[in-house]
Amino acid sequence: GDSVTQMEGPVTLSEEAFLTINCTYTATGYPSLFWYVQYPGEGLQLLLKATKADDKGSNKGFEATYRKETTSFHLEKGSVQVSDSAVYFCALSDPSGGSNYKLTFGKGTLLTVNP
Amino acid sequence: DAGVTQSPTHLIKTRGQQVTLRCSPISGHKSVSWYQQVLGQGPQFIFQYYEKEERGRGNFPDRFSARQFPNYSSELNVNALLLGDSALYLCASSLRGGAGETQYFGPGTRLLVL
Repeated sequence: GDSVTQMEGPVTLSEEAFLTINCTYTATGYPSLFWYVQYPGEGLQLLLKATKADDKGSNKGFEATYRKETTSFHLEKGSVQVSDSAVYFCALSDPSGGSNYKLTFGKGTLLTVNP
Repeated sequence: DAGVTQSPTHLIKTRGQQVTLRCSPISGHKSVSWYQQVLGQGPQFIFQYYEKEERGRGNFPDRFSARQFPNYSSELNVNALLLGDSALYLCASSLRGGAGETQYFGPGTRLLVL
């Protein structure tokens, strides 16, 4: 079945540091890929997405490129801010032969950015 | 426009009881999905509905059921609650629930089973 593997957290960085959160996936079909962010006590917000190979999703300084050859969708940001502190989830949507485009999530990576 | 709304925000129940959670999708969205998020884990898919029909079901027991109404709102019911049902229950809506569509999440209902 489908699965998403994220790098283990927590990740602690200083403000303005470079961020990478690794994400790899296994899918039976041709999935769409997403990064969601969850701030404390809140639901999930879409950060960015990519729907086909070599697509780059970007938003608020975050970027991720859909790499089919390495089945990866790593999240990067050049300079993190304290306000980026949150839990980040990588997810995929794959019909797997059916009509159910459910999201399959990784376990999440807690990011803490210190001033 | 309002986002996805869920009610109640918090709920405390005892083992064996039943609970109903409610979700209103973004206006114009016809697909609703439900997810369970246990503390420290990623959300797990429970159900997806589109145009009032169940499109998919995750690996959850029959104690979990859901439905979607003509106005596209949805309810999730859980019977015979167990301690392990304590979690954040998230509702997400999308236009049709199709390939590549973004699912927009509500703030969730936090259920505690004692």
